[in-house]
Amino acid sequence: EDKVVQSPLSLVVHEGDTVTLNCSYEVTNFRSLLWYKQEKKAPTFLFMLTSSGIEKKSGRLSSILDKKELFSILNITATQTGDSAIYLCAGGSEKLVFGKGTKLTVNP
Amino acid sequence: DAGVTQSPTHLIKTRGQQVTLRCSPKSGHDTVSWYQQALGQGPQFIFQYYEEEERQRGNFPDRFSGHQFPNYSSELNVNALLLGDSALYLCASSYGSANYGYTFGSGTRLTVV
Repeated sequence: EDKVVQSPLSLVVHEGDTVTLNCSYEVTNFRSLLWYKQEKKAPTFLFMLTSSGIEKKSGRLSSILDKKELFSILNITATQTGDSAIYLCAGGSEKLVFGKGTKLTVNP
Repeated sequence: DAGVTQSPTHLIKTRGQQVTLRCSPKSGHDTVSWYQQALGQGPQFIFQYYEEEERQRGNFPDRFSGHQFPNYSSELNVNALLLGDSALYLCASSYGSANYGYTFGSGTRLTVV
């Protein structure tokens, strides 16, 4: 059965801290690994990773995929209160298999 | 450029009733996928529609059915509602059946009482 496991499930940090969110996957017909940020309802797209070892960056966020170990991480440096959200990891092709998410709380 | 539009935003139904949720995809997108997100869980894939046909289906019973119209909009129908169907229902649109460029709508919060 396909599964995506995220850790930790919950994380509380102070502004300015750096965090690493983890995602492991076992998904048949795997084509890409995606990260989303969900603040209220609609998940918003962060990254799509298809190749191993190539880091993608967007501002303070970065992510990398290890297709041998079936693993991805999402890093957020210099966290801000606006980074507080649930971060979802998903793998698949036409259909996505999501993890439960990591709830990140950034305190001022 | 309108994003993905879902209606209604909230809905309360009684066990045993039927419900229809609607989704208008982002302009230029022709594929619609539906996900169910229970409280504290990640979204779960229900099914995907492309060219007015169901192309992929997740592990959901036949009570869940859908439709895609020629203008690419889509409906999700759930019959014989159970309390466990209470969830946020998310619609995602994309161009083509691959998940590249998935855009999610804000969802419909369904509560079954």
